[in-house]
Amino acid sequence: NAGVMQNPRHLVRRRGQEARLRCSPVKGHSHVYWYRQLPEEGLKFMVYLQKENIIDESGMPKERFSAEFPKEGPSILRIQQVVRGDSAAYFCASSPSIEYGYTFGSGTRLTVV
Amino acid sequence: AQSVAQPEDQVNVAEGNPLTVKCTYSVSGNPYLFWYVQYPNRGLQFLLKYITGDNLVKGSYGFEAEFNKSQTSFHLKKPSALVSDSALYFCAVRDGRTGTASKLTFGTGTRLQVML
Repeated sequence: NAGVMQNPRHLVRRRGQEARLRCSPVKGHSHVYWYRQLPEEGLKFMVYLQKENIIDESGMPKERFSAEFPKEGPSILRIQQVVRGDSAAYFCASSPSIEYGYTFGSGTRLTVV
Repeated sequence: AQSVAQPEDQVNVAEGNPLTVKCTYSVSGNPYLFWYVQYPNRGLQFLLKYITGDNLVKGSYGFEAEFNKSQTSFHLKKPSALVSDSALYFCAVRDGRTGTASKLTFGTGTRLQVML
Protein backbone atom coordinates (compact mmCIF):
# COMPACT_ATOMS: atom_id res chain seq x y z
CA ASN A 1 0.00 0.00 0.00
CA ALA A 2 1.97 2.96 -1.28
CA GLY A 3 1.83 6.18 0.68
CA VAL A 4 1.51 9.67 -0.71
CA MET A 5 3.90 10.05 -3.62
CA GLN A 6 5.30 13.46 -4.45
CA ASN A 7 7.56 14.32 -7.32
CA PRO A 8 9.99 15.66 -7.94
CA ARG A 9 11.77 15.52 -4.59
CA HIS A 10 13.91 18.51 -5.51
CA LEU A 11 13.14 21.18 -8.08
CA VAL A 12 15.33 24.08 -9.11
CA ARG A 13 13.83 26.91 -11.11
CA ARG A 14 15.12 30.27 -12.27
CA ARG A 15 13.15 33.35 -11.41
CA GLY A 16 10.23 33.77 -13.80
CA GLN A 17 9.91 30.09 -14.68
CA GLU A 18 6.98 27.84 -13.81
CA ALA A 19 7.10 25.12 -11.16
CA ARG A 20 4.78 22.09 -11.30
CA LEU A 21 4.57 19.89 -8.23
CA ARG A 22 2.79 16.55 -8.39
CA CYS A 23 1.07 14.54 -5.70
CA SER A 24 -0.51 11.10 -5.91
CA PRO A 25 -2.59 10.44 -2.77
CA VAL A 26 -2.94 7.14 -1.00
CA LYS A 27 -5.21 4.86 -3.03
CA GLY A 28 -8.78 5.42 -1.90
CA HIS A 29 -8.12 8.82 -0.30
CA SER A 30 -10.31 11.50 -1.83
CA HIS A 31 -9.11 14.48 0.24
CA VAL A 32 -5.86 16.18 -0.75
CA TYR A 33 -4.13 19.05 1.04
CA TRP A 34 -1.12 21.15 0.15
CA TYR A 35 1.08 22.83 2.78
CA ARG A 36 4.18 24.99 2.53
CA GLN A 37 7.03 24.88 5.02
CA LEU A 38 9.63 27.61 5.12
CA PRO A 39 12.99 26.93 6.81
CA GLU A 40 12.64 26.73 10.60
CA GLU A 41 8.90 27.38 10.38
CA GLY A 42 5.77 25.35 10.74
CA LEU A 43 3.44 24.20 8.03
CA LYS A 44 1.17 26.74 6.42
CA PHE A 45 -2.04 25.51 4.85
CA MET A 46 -2.44 26.37 1.19
CA VAL A 47 -5.33 24.48 -0.36
CA TYR A 48 -7.74 21.59 0.20
CA LEU A 49 -9.12 19.67 -2.77
CA GLN A 50 -11.39 16.78 -3.47
CA LYS A 51 -11.69 15.17 -6.88
CA GLU A 52 -12.29 17.94 -9.45
CA ASN A 53 -13.19 20.44 -6.72
CA ILE A 54 -11.34 23.07 -4.71
CA ILE A 55 -12.88 23.02 -1.25
CA ASP A 56 -10.75 25.62 0.55
CA GLU A 57 -8.06 27.77 -1.03
CA SER A 58 -7.86 30.33 1.75
CA GLY A 59 -4.12 29.79 2.15
CA MET A 60 -3.20 30.18 -1.48
CA PRO A 61 -1.65 33.44 -2.69
CA LYS A 62 -4.11 35.13 -5.01
CA GLU A 63 -1.67 35.41 -7.87
CA ARG A 64 0.67 32.94 -9.57
CA PHE A 65 -0.48 29.90 -7.54
CA SER A 66 -3.07 27.35 -8.64
CA ALA A 67 -3.99 23.79 -7.76
CA GLU A 68 -6.05 21.04 -9.26
CA PHE A 69 -7.05 17.47 -8.50
CA PRO A 70 -8.48 16.02 -11.71
CA LYS A 71 -10.72 13.01 -12.00
CA GLU A 72 -7.80 11.02 -13.30
CA GLY A 73 -4.19 11.53 -12.34
CA PRO A 74 -2.30 13.29 -9.59
CA SER A 75 -2.99 16.57 -7.89
CA ILE A 76 -0.90 19.41 -9.29
CA LEU A 77 0.31 22.54 -7.53
CA ARG A 78 1.42 25.10 -10.11
CA ILE A 79 3.47 28.19 -9.38
CA GLN A 80 3.88 30.59 -12.26
CA GLN A 81 6.67 33.16 -12.60
CA VAL A 82 8.47 31.93 -9.50
CA VAL A 83 10.31 34.34 -7.23
CA ARG A 84 13.01 33.65 -4.63
CA GLY A 85 10.43 33.90 -1.84
CA ASP A 86 8.71 30.80 -3.25
CA SER A 87 11.68 28.68 -2.19
CA ALA A 88 10.33 26.25 0.39
CA ALA A 89 9.33 22.67 0.99
CA TYR A 90 5.87 21.88 -0.33
CA PHE A 91 4.08 18.97 1.29
CA CYS A 92 1.05 17.13 0.05
CA ALA A 93 -1.15 15.08 2.35
CA SER A 94 -4.19 12.90 1.83
CA SER A 95 -6.96 11.63 4.05
CA PRO A 96 -9.93 9.32 3.60
CA SER A 97 -12.25 11.42 5.75
CA ILE A 98 -12.47 14.11 8.43
CA GLU A 99 -12.04 11.71 11.35
CA TYR A 100 -8.62 10.65 10.19
CA GLY A 101 -5.32 12.39 10.27
CA TYR A 102 -3.27 12.97 7.20
CA THR A 103 -0.74 10.80 5.44
CA PHE A 104 2.05 13.07 4.26
CA GLY A 105 4.29 12.77 1.28
CA SER A 106 8.04 13.36 1.56
CA GLY A 107 7.70 16.80 0.03
CA THR A 108 9.10 18.72 -2.91
CA ARG A 109 11.89 21.13 -2.08
CA LEU A 110 11.70 24.05 -4.46
CA THR A 111 14.72 26.27 -4.87
CA VAL A 112 14.42 29.42 -6.95
CA VAL A 113 17.73 30.79 -8.18
CA ALA B 1 -10.84 30.24 13.32
CA GLN B 2 -8.71 27.47 14.74
CA SER B 3 -5.19 27.77 16.07
CA VAL B 4 -2.46 25.84 17.85
CA ALA B 5 0.26 27.13 20.16
CA GLN B 6 3.46 25.29 20.92
CA PRO B 7 5.12 27.59 23.45
CA GLU B 8 8.56 25.98 23.38
CA ASP B 9 10.78 26.22 20.34
CA GLN B 10 13.08 23.56 21.78
CA VAL B 11 12.97 20.99 24.56
CA ASN B 12 16.14 19.36 25.86
CA VAL B 13 16.02 16.17 27.88
CA ALA B 14 18.50 13.51 28.94
CA GLU B 15 18.07 10.00 27.59
CA GLY B 16 16.01 7.89 29.96
CA ASN B 17 14.22 10.87 31.47
CA PRO B 18 10.54 11.61 30.85
CA LEU B 19 9.69 14.21 28.25
CA THR B 20 6.78 16.57 27.69
CA VAL B 21 6.11 18.69 24.63
CA LYS B 22 3.38 21.24 25.21
CA CYS B 23 0.44 22.14 22.98
CA THR B 24 -2.63 24.28 23.50
CA TYR B 25 -5.37 24.81 20.95
CA SER B 26 -8.35 26.94 20.04
CA VAL B 27 -11.26 25.70 17.94
CA SER B 28 -14.98 26.49 17.71
CA GLY B 29 -16.37 22.97 17.72
CA ASN B 30 -15.14 19.72 19.18
CA PRO B 31 -11.40 19.41 18.63
CA TYR B 32 -9.76 16.67 16.66
CA LEU B 33 -6.14 16.73 17.82
CA PHE B 34 -3.03 15.20 16.30
CA TRP B 35 0.69 14.91 16.88
CA TYR B 36 3.18 14.47 14.06
CA VAL B 37 6.96 14.04 14.02
CA GLN B 38 9.33 15.25 11.32
CA TYR B 39 12.86 14.00 10.82
CA PRO B 40 15.35 16.05 8.76
CA ASN B 41 14.45 16.33 5.07
CA ARG B 42 11.44 14.09 5.53
CA GLY B 43 7.69 14.47 5.54
CA LEU B 44 5.59 14.37 8.67
CA GLN B 45 4.80 11.05 10.31
CA PHE B 46 1.62 10.50 12.29
CA LEU B 47 2.14 9.73 16.00
CA LEU B 48 -1.30 9.79 17.57
CA LYS B 49 -4.71 11.43 17.56
CA TYR B 50 -7.59 12.32 19.84
CA ILE B 51 -11.09 12.27 18.38
CA THR B 52 -13.25 11.14 21.28
CA GLY B 53 -13.13 8.76 24.23
CA ASP B 54 -10.37 8.38 26.81
CA ASN B 55 -8.43 11.54 27.49
CA LEU B 56 -5.13 9.63 27.50
CA VAL B 57 -4.20 8.56 24.00
CA LYS B 58 -1.40 6.13 23.24
CA GLY B 59 0.47 6.27 19.96
CA SER B 60 3.53 5.12 18.08
CA TYR B 61 7.04 4.67 19.52
CA GLY B 62 5.85 4.80 23.14
CA PHE B 63 4.41 8.30 22.93
CA GLU B 64 1.16 9.31 24.56
CA ALA B 65 -0.82 12.51 24.90
CA GLU B 66 -3.39 13.77 27.36
CA PHE B 67 -6.42 15.72 26.24
CA ASN B 68 -7.47 18.34 28.79
CA LYS B 69 -10.64 20.14 27.72
CA SER B 70 -10.68 22.68 30.54
CA GLN B 71 -7.12 23.77 29.80
CA THR B 72 -7.51 23.30 26.02
CA SER B 73 -4.26 21.37 26.01
CA PHE B 74 -2.93 18.23 24.35
CA HIS B 75 0.59 17.72 25.67
CA LEU B 76 2.77 14.99 24.22
CA LYS B 77 4.59 12.76 26.68
CA LYS B 78 6.94 9.81 26.85
CA PRO B 79 8.08 8.10 30.07
CA SER B 80 11.66 7.47 28.93
CA ALA B 81 13.26 9.45 26.11
CA LEU B 82 15.61 7.96 23.52
CA VAL B 83 18.29 9.74 21.50
CA SER B 84 16.43 8.57 18.39
CA ASP B 85 13.39 10.61 19.50
CA SER B 86 15.30 13.79 18.60
CA ALA B 87 13.21 15.45 15.89
CA LEU B 88 10.70 18.23 15.20
CA TYR B 89 7.26 17.69 16.69
CA PHE B 90 4.07 19.30 15.46
CA CYS B 91 0.70 19.53 17.16
CA ALA B 92 -2.36 20.03 14.94
CA VAL B 93 -6.08 20.64 15.35
CA ARG B 94 -9.14 20.52 13.17
CA ASP B 95 -12.76 21.40 13.85
CA GLY B 96 -14.76 18.21 14.29
CA ARG B 97 -18.12 19.65 13.37
CA THR B 98 -19.84 18.04 10.41
CA GLY B 99 -19.84 20.20 7.34
CA THR B 100 -16.82 22.28 8.28
CA ALA B 101 -13.74 22.38 6.12
CA SER B 102 -11.49 19.67 7.36
CA LYS B 103 -8.07 21.26 7.09
CA LEU B 104 -5.56 20.72 9.86
CA THR B 105 -3.98 23.76 11.46
CA PHE B 106 -0.44 23.14 12.72
CA GLY B 107 1.60 24.68 15.46
CA THR B 108 5.04 26.09 14.72
CA GLY B 109 6.76 22.96 15.96
CA THR B 110 8.97 22.06 18.91
CA ARG B 111 12.43 20.69 18.39
CA LEU B 112 13.17 17.86 20.81
CA GLN B 113 16.81 17.20 21.59
CA VAL B 114 17.56 14.07 23.61
CA MET B 115 21.10 13.95 24.97
CA LEU B 116 23.20 11.06 26.17
